[in-house]
Amino acid sequence: EVQLVESGGGVVQPGGSLRLSCGASGFSFDDYAMHWVRQAPGKGLEWVSLLSGDGERTYYADSVKGRFTISRDNSKNSLYLQMDSLTIEDTAFYYCAKDIKKSRSWYDFYFDYWGQGTLLTVSS
Amino acid sequence: DIQMTQSPSSLSASVGDRVTLTCRASQSVFNYLNWYQQKSGTPPRLLIYGAFNLQSGVPSRFSGSGSGTDFTLTISSLQPEDFATYHCQQSYRTPLTFGGGTKVEI
Repeated sequence: EVQLVESGGGVVQPGGSLRLSCGASGFSFDDYAMHWVRQAPGKGLEWVSLLSGDGERTYYADSVKGRFTISRDNSKNSLYLQMDSLTIEDTAFYYCAKDIKKSRSWYDFYFDYWGQGTLLTVSS
Repeated sequence: DIQMTQSPSSLSASVGDRVTLTCRASQSVFNYLNWYQQKSGTPPRLLIYGAFNLQSGVPSRFSGSGSGTDFTLTISSLQPEDFATYHCQQSYRTPLTFGGGTKVEI
């Protein structure tokens, strides 16, 4: 059974930093690209970032480019999101999501499994 | 960026109703359109991919259609467990974008 478990959320002051983690199990982690998707409370979904299975290709939403860094440790079946220079607008539930395509290098840009999410609150 | 617009933003329906939700893209996404269902307090669940392909385990009362810029998700006979918010998402190019969602209420 595929499981994705996010952790690391919390309350951070504007301008602060935080690192989110996502532990994966139930599938061959390095064979799949992984994404972060966020959802502000009561709002719609916003894609944040993508990292290929081999860790070579990254994509970011413009709203986080230059501030967030996605990474993975395939030996630990873990995905990370380093978030710097946080603003109030980054307040959201952050979900890690698995790309549907089995490939270390490529992706289909949509998601067949999601974690339960971790809440980041940016507030002074 | 490709803007995705869903309509209506919410609708009220009854068990057994046929329900049609609409998603429009600001430019053609061909068939790279996916639908997700999200119930309160839970993550989204993939329902339809590639505009009309039913994800494994999804009941056949769900169907998708459309191509280019205009897409629909149809629930042929609404069940109690279908009351949720439905999101469309284009997977044609980055940045990947979602519609604002349609909330289906009793």
